Amino acid sequence: GENVEQHPSTLSVQEGDSAVIKCTYSDSASNYFPWYKQELGKGPQLIIDIRSNVGEKKDQRIAVTLNKTAKHFSLHITETQPEDSAVYFCAASIGFGNEKLTFGTGTRLTIIP
Amino acid sequence: NAGVTQTPKFQVLKTGQSMTLQCAQDMNHNSMYWYRQDPGMGLRLIYYSASEGTTDKGEVPNGYNVSRLNKREFSLRLESAAPSQTSVYFCASSLPNNEQFFGPGTRLTVL
Repeated sequence: GENVEQHPSTLSVQEGDSAVIKCTYSDSASNYFPWYKQELGKGPQLIIDIRSNVGEKKDQRIAVTLNKTAKHFSLHITETQPEDSAVYFCAASIGFGNEKLTFGTGTRLTIIP
Repeated sequence: NAGVTQTPKFQVLKTGQSMTLQCAQDMNHNSMYWYRQDPGMGLRLIYYSASEGTTDKGEVPNGYNVSRLNKREFSLRLESAAPSQTSVYFCASSLPNNEQFFGPGTRLTVL
């Protein structure tokens, strides 16, 4: 089955600086890669996703890049703000559907004011 | 729209007891999912239902059963709870090939 590794497990960034979280996946058949943000005591919420036919996707301060050859994808958050503090999860799904997501182990991001 | 709702929010069981976790969504989604979240392990898929009347195993189905009662509701049952099932359980729903929306979770402790 699919295996997703995520690094780092914790990340502290000064407010206004950029944060980068990286994930690698094992199955070359994976072609859907979402990123979720989880705030304390809440369920995960999708913040951005990318499919394998696209190399990069941006949404305001958030971007995701995908390197299919190397089987890794990254989340970039620019101009970080205190409300960006949360746990972030990457995931991957084999095939064209998104039913069987395999999640990474999460990154706890702390923004230092 | 309430989105995805889960009951109960918290539950403490003794080893061997049974219970059912309830999940409902009001977004008219076809697919529903159950995950468990353990420290340092991310979320792992227990079961999912692509449509009313169908269910499939995920990564960690042992010790669990599910019922897709109708399009809105998807329940998860623990027949004989074990300490290894202490976890936070999340229900999610989605349209086909679209993002999954998660509920607020149920924190379960098995003593």
